[in-house]
Amino acid sequence: DQQVKQNSPSLSVQEGRISILNCDYTNSMFDYFLWYKKYPAEGPTFLISISSIKDKNEDGRFTVFLNKSAKHLSLHIVPSQPGDSAVYFCAAGETGANSKLTFGKGITLSVRP
Amino acid sequence: SAVISQKPSRDICQRGTSLTIQCQVDSQVTMMFWYRQQPGQSLTLIATANQGSEATYESGFVIDKFPISRPNLTFSTLTVSNMSPEDSSIYLCSARQKWNTEAFFGQGTRLTVV
Repeated sequence: DQQVKQNSPSLSVQEGRISILNCDYTNSMFDYFLWYKKYPAEGPTFLISISSIKDKNEDGRFTVFLNKSAKHLSLHIVPSQPGDSAVYFCAAGETGANSKLTFGKGITLSVRP
Repeated sequence: SAVISQKPSRDICQRGTSLTIQCQVDSQVTMMFWYRQQPGQSLTLIATANQGSEATYESGFVIDKFPISRPNLTFSTLTVSNMSPEDSSIYLCSARQKWNTEAFFGQGTRLTVV
């Protein structure tokens, strides 16, 4: 049973436009969420996170929105740049001493020049 | 943040052999984890490496197949034992502080079993 779902395997956008990456979760105990970016042959790098007490968190070109009632979050990248082309993973966790992250399958974002 | 060095970065191994992957963190961390990423799949947690005690394994993973050591707060190893082609995957080390939600990753070890 996949608790974190990224249903779209890929997304292609034009440089300068907005990229919207979606993520759904099923476990209502998750209380924080993270986005990671992964280039080929590298490990995932942390991008941005959000706590369940918030509905929005912004860091430069990256904004994450959380809709708890819908169990849905999204990552907005604006403006998109060719260097943003990578695989983006959504992850969720439950606060606790041994909390571990549950990851989605990832979305491959391609930003066309 | 933490910088995590993982080695080897890749290896091709014969079936039936074992490979030990090392993970070194540049600072003391409370929690270390080992993940596996199979082609086209998400990152799947293998186990939590506990300092000074046995690792905590997730469902579907056992100590005999994936023995883990964590002798101190900056270092851990994962061994993939008696390998078969189904073990071909990317193995990732991760670390975070207990009070932080943010986890950091090594660059991964791409394992191919032939």
